[in-house]
Amino acid sequence: DIVMTQSPDSLAVSLGERATINCKSSQSVLYRSSNKNYLGWYQQKPGQPPKLLIYWASTRESGVPDRFSGSGSGTDFTLTISSLQAEDVAVYYCQQYLDARITFGQGTRLEIK
Amino acid sequence: EVQLVESGGGLVQPGGSLRLSCAASGFSFSDYWMQWVRQVPGRGLVWVSRINSDGSHIVYADSVRGRFTVSRDNAKNTLYLQMNSLRTEDTAVYYCVRPLNSGWYGELKLWGQGTLVTVSS
Repeated sequence: DIVMTQSPDSLAVSLGERATINCKSSQSVLYRSSNKNYLGWYQQKPGQPPKLLIYWASTRESGVPDRFSGSGSGTDFTLTISSLQAEDVAVYYCQQYLDARITFGQGTRLEIK
Repeated sequence: EVQLVESGGGLVQPGGSLRLSCAASGFSFSDYWMQWVRQVPGRGLVWVSRINSDGSHIVYADSVRGRFTVSRDNAKNTLYLQMNSLRTEDTAVYYCVRPLNSGWYGELKLWGQGTLVTVSS
C-alpha cells in the first residue's frame, strides 16, 4: 500500500494568516500517461463526515472557497489556506487514489492561534 | 436531495456479525462505484472496500478481506457491507461514500453521516 504521511500533526495559525499542510507519499502518485496526480484533500469538522476540497492535487471542488489551494507533484504535496478563517478549524486529510487500495494521511488538526 | 443514509450499526460481540446498509437517493446509483470508509472516533480515515457499478469488480483492504463482503442492489439503490468474524479493532464509524464522477472511484465526494459499529464483550 502507498503510505501517506502528513506534517505537521497539528497546527495553530492566527486568523487571516496562511496555513500550510504537507503530505508525502511513499511512492509517486503521478500517473504519467495522464500527467495527473491522484491526490485529494479533505476537511473534516467535528461530528461531520469529511468534505472533498481538492482533487487531482490542485483542482478545487465546486463551492470550495478560493483561499484553499493544492500544489505539488509526484510524492510531495501541499494544501494552503491563504487567509485562515474561523470556520476553517478542522482536521485535514490527504488521500491517494492511484493505487486500487485508497490510503489517507493521518490527518492534521488546524486550530486558531 | 442527493444523499446517502447508512443503517445497521450497533453493539456486537467479538466473533459476531453485522450487516450495514446504505440507501442512496437523488442520483443514478447504478452509474457509480461505491465505497466504504471507516473511522475510529477521534482517529483517522481508513478505506475498507470498493465495488464497481454492476458489482463485478470488488476490492478490499487487507484488514477485512475474507471477513467482510460488499454488495449492492441497484434496483433498491442500496449498498451493503456484511461483516463477519468481527474483532474489537473493527470498532468504528462506517461511512458509505460515492465518488465525484460516475465510472471512476477516486475523488470521494458524497459521504453519508456514518453508522457506529462497536465490537465489545
